[in-house]
Amino acid sequence: AQSVTQLDSHVSVSEGTPVLLRCNYSSSYSPSLFWYVQHPNKGLQLLLKYTSAATLVKGINGFEAEFKKSETSFHLTKPSAHMSDAAEYFCVVSAAGGSNYKLTFGKGTLLTVNP
Amino acid sequence: NAGVTQTPKFRVLKTGQSMTLLCAQDMNHEYMYWYRQDPGMGLRLIHYSVGEGTTAKGEVPDGYNVSRLKKQNFLLGLESAAPSQTSVYFCASSETGATNEQFFGPGTRLTVL
Repeated sequence: AQSVTQLDSHVSVSEGTPVLLRCNYSSSYSPSLFWYVQHPNKGLQLLLKYTSAATLVKGINGFEAEFKKSETSFHLTKPSAHMSDAAEYFCVVSAAGGSNYKLTFGKGTLLTVNP
Repeated sequence: NAGVTQTPKFRVLKTGQSMTLLCAQDMNHEYMYWYRQDPGMGLRLIHYSVGEGTTAKGEVPDGYNVSRLKKQNFLLGLESAAPSQTSVYFCASSETGATNEQFFGPGTRLTVL
């Protein structure tokens, strides 16, 4: 079984300040972890993924995430928020094991960026 | 490449009506998925397919049927629509499962009155 908890449903930051979106996961197998972004009325786009290589993963648009097995966390960060980062972000876990090839999505974190 | 496309983009149904949502991908992906997205719920998997001619149930399959007659197409059917099926539906595809990125279509907004 696997699950994802996004610790904040809404995060508000000012433009130019750091972004932290928190995600905890549980998985019975070695997980793959993803962050997806969804802009209003759009489909989801992959930001970055972790698949058991380097624990610090760099993605598009200056985002990065660190896999911490001891804390079962995969928090998303960005040093300086831009207005175009305003969107909903989903943390996702996938675990290859038995017949489990499905993604489990968190409930999402809405990021607001204030001018 | 168009990626993943969905037809239609919007639809309004009356309770009890039926309809089919079409998903097409031109990336030669083996795996395809149908999700529904509801406010505050994230995305929930309805059905998925690991190859042409195969389908499997996801997290919330009741009230839906699917078919994968061709590798590039994945159809989602609602035989008798209910207001609880009002949602935004997303199709996705991936090369294989687990560690591979899923590519998403733009979504279909369905309202059942």
